[in-house]
Order: sequence, then C-alpha cells, then structure tokens
Amino acid sequence: GAVVSQHPSRVICKSGTSVKIECRSLDFQATTMFWYRQFPKQSLMLMATSNEGSKATYEQGVEKDKFLINHASLTLSTLTVTSAHPEDSSFYICSARDGRGLFAYEQYFGPGTRLTVT
Amino acid sequence: AQSVSQHNHHVILSEAASLELGCNYSYGGTVNLFWYVQYPGQHLQLLLKYFSGDPLVKGIKGFEAEFIKSKFSFNLRKPSVQWSDTAEYFCAVWSKGGKLIFGQGTELSVKP
Repeated sequence: GAVVSQHPSRVICKSGTSVKIECRSLDFQATTMFWYRQFPKQSLMLMATSNEGSKATYEQGVEKDKFLINHASLTLSTLTVTSAHPEDSSFYICSARDGRGLFAYEQYFGPGTRLTVT
Repeated sequence: AQSVSQHNHHVILSEAASLELGCNYSYGGTVNLFWYVQYPGQHLQLLLKYFSGDPLVKGIKGFEAEFIKSKFSFNLRKPSVQWSDTAEYFCAVWSKGGKLIFGQGTELSVKP
C-alpha cells in the first residue's frame, strides 16, 4: 500500500521556538494532505486541509498564523508550529490522499510526530 | 454537521472472545464509512471501508462490519480476537466536505 512518512518522529523544543514537521508521500502523488492533532486517549482532530499549490483550509478554532502549512509539491507538506508553547505539546499526524483515479477516497496516514514543548 | 459516535471507550476481552464495537453516524444521506486501527506505537491503518453495495463488508485480519442504514450504524465485528488485536479502533465517516470525521476511538485490550 501507499506509504506516508513524517519527520521527525519526536521533537522536544523550548517555549517560544518554532518547529517544522515534514510529511511525505513516498510512492504516490498526494493531491491533498491533511494535518491532525491527537491528544492522549482521544480521537484525531482535523486541523487543516491542504491542496498542492494552494493555501491550506483551516478548521474552526485552529490558528492559521500559529500552525503554518505549506504544500509545495505533490509529495511534501510541512507543518510549522510557530512560537510553540507547552499547550501545543501533542501528537501530530499527517495524512495524504491521491484524489484521482480508482482510489480517490483512500487516505493514508503517517506515523505521527510527538511534539513536546518545555 | 456530520458526526461519529463510538459507544465503547475501553473494551477488555480474553483471547478467542467475540468482538463487536459500536459506531453510529449522524448523516442521513449517502455515506462512506471506514474503520481504522492504530496499534501501539504505529500509524493508523485502514481495516475496511463501505462505499456502496453489500452492507456486510469484510476487511483485513478477519474483521468485518455491517452497515445498517436504518440504525445509522456501522459496527465492527470479529468472531475470535487475538492478543495481537490489542489496539485503538476508530470509526470514521467521509464528510460532504471531503474530510474524514473520526469517532472518539475505542481501546481494545485482549488478555492472553
């Protein structure tokens, strides 16, 4: 099946700094990528949807200036958490979809990135 | 807005027991439904999906789910669980906006 990678898998940063998380589709072209946040023992909360070459669409309540998303190519999307604070500590998961063809609905998930802000 | 509800927060079973995890969704129109599994320390994997046709859907690892439109349900079943089925299970619905809406998740613990 299709593979989505994320880097880094874990990151610890100091409060006030920025952190960039990369999401790559390894063997398919991702026309759409999604960024989720998962709190312990809770569900995945969709943060934003990005289509290649266009601005991301953020869900209600998600600060777009704090969570910068770039989807510059069909295989790479980045999430930058700017001026991180301890409450931003969470598990961030990306997902990718090739919106064309027979498997247009298939959505593939990355392994997630554990962010800890101290 | 569409929503998904999973009734069981944590289910504990012994090996060989039968499993049924509940999932209800709110949208009354055409739905696309999914079950995902997240094994400890691993990424989400698709177990099975329903788009149309036979309401009894078979997935990987012996799992199946039944779509019952009148009950707005898409319950996940497995006749005999194994210790390796210990994981978090998420039901999801494909929203009109093209986004996956997830349920709260059910943690399954299987005792050997």
